[in-house]
Amino acid sequence: QSALTQPASVSGSPGQSITISCTGLTSDVGGYDFVSWYQHYPDRAPKLVLSEVNNRPSGVSDRFSGSKSGDTASLTISGLQPDDEGTYYCSSYVTDSIPHVFGTGTEVTVL
Amino acid sequence: EVQLMQSGAEVKKPGESLKVSCQASGYSFISYWIGWVRQMPGKGLECMGIINPGDSRTKYNPPFQGQVTISVDKSINTAYLQWSSLKASDTAIYYCVRHRIRTGFDYWGQGTRLTVSS
Repeated sequence: QSALTQPASVSGSPGQSITISCTGLTSDVGGYDFVSWYQHYPDRAPKLVLSEVNNRPSGVSDRFSGSKSGDTASLTISGLQPDDEGTYYCSSYVTDSIPHVFGTGTEVTVL
Repeated sequence: EVQLMQSGAEVKKPGESLKVSCQASGYSFISYWIGWVRQMPGKGLECMGIINPGDSRTKYNPPFQGQVTISVDKSINTAYLQWSSLKASDTAIYYCVRHRIRTGFDYWGQGTRLTVSS
């Protein structure tokens, strides 16, 4: 199972909105609404910020939102803040015989 | 509060064996799959595999099948990741994760850094 495809980097100015895409196949992203997103800072454990396309875990800012169209899911960060800098990964359910597969990761830079 | 507490950093030589651990607390250990995610230096996240603590069923991502062994001891709420013969290419950070189909990897351990070098 190949990794889901994400842009290598996305940047934006403070206060702007950015969107990160996560492209898979009909057999993964396109077939199920079990897409999650993670925020990862260097030398820290990744953190789940969205699950089931657009569900925010308790404590996650409402500046994070998600959507899906066809085989592509998206994470939007609105009101960009310096603390949003980091690497973001998506993951998706594929089949019952393997765990979620990750995306390639997107480095977010706040200009 | 859900916590996944991993064992400390390791420095090993090629050919040596290793078992790293992850002790879970704050939830019913046997009710959720638990597994391991690798991050090689400068690279992305890869899920190696997961295990059902209730019955020890495992699901490995194909690249990791036969390369590592994931196990649990449910009497002490602990999951393990084991190598029988380490290679330099095993140098990475390994994260313990709780896995659910609907939510992916909802809780993460702090990571165990492994360095394999002669």
